[in-house]
Amino acid sequence: QQQVKQSPQSLIVQKGGISIINCAYENTAFDYFPWYQQFPGKGPALLIAIRPDVSEKKEGRFTISFNKSAKQFSLHIMDSQPGDSATYFCAASKETSGSRLTFGEGTQLTVNP
Amino acid sequence: EPEVTQTPSHQVTQMGQEVILRCVPISNHLYFYWYRQILGQKVEFLVSFYNNEISEKSEIFDDQFSVERPDGSNFTLKIRSTKLEDSAMYFCASRGWTSGETQYFGPGTRLLVL
Repeated sequence: QQQVKQSPQSLIVQKGGISIINCAYENTAFDYFPWYQQFPGKGPALLIAIRPDVSEKKEGRFTISFNKSAKQFSLHIMDSQPGDSATYFCAASKETSGSRLTFGEGTQLTVNP
Repeated sequence: EPEVTQTPSHQVTQMGQEVILRCVPISNHLYFYWYRQILGQKVEFLVSFYNNEISEKSEIFDDQFSVERPDGSNFTLKIRSTKLEDSAMYFCASRGWTSGETQYFGPGTRLLVL
């Protein structure tokens, strides 16, 4: 019930293309859904986050789409750049649990020049 | 910009030895977390800490693990008797009221148990 499933495991995109990473969750009590970006040897860094009261959130080239009924959310990276090459993790948490993050398995994104 | 710091960046230890991983959370943050990431796997929650006590812990956080906030700035994770399977990257994170739900992660400590 606490799991967050993420796909694909790896993704290769050409520069300028759109990268799409998908996540699905089971626990309907989750009320906060962040995406983290991790570069090799670094800690995860918050990229963008959404709450279930909205269906989409956009920040620059990054957009989260959220489907509450399907219990799915996705990250779209528009105009993907080589500098976006990193591992992306979706996560979920619920306020009442002290906000422990449950992470997805991660997606290794490679953007070719 | 304030950031979470962790020391050491790398630690190699022998099985059965005790290790202490140190973290300095962002000043004025109130919630503190430890996570671990085994090589190539996802980040896993270990424990959360608030108001000088553990607020939640995972099944991974057994009696071999303990956390402490010995002073107003440091937050430590102790592994009493390390096992080979404790080899992982350990991340500290902190969260404050003004950051909402956002947890800020440190750069991690890579622990290798031989």
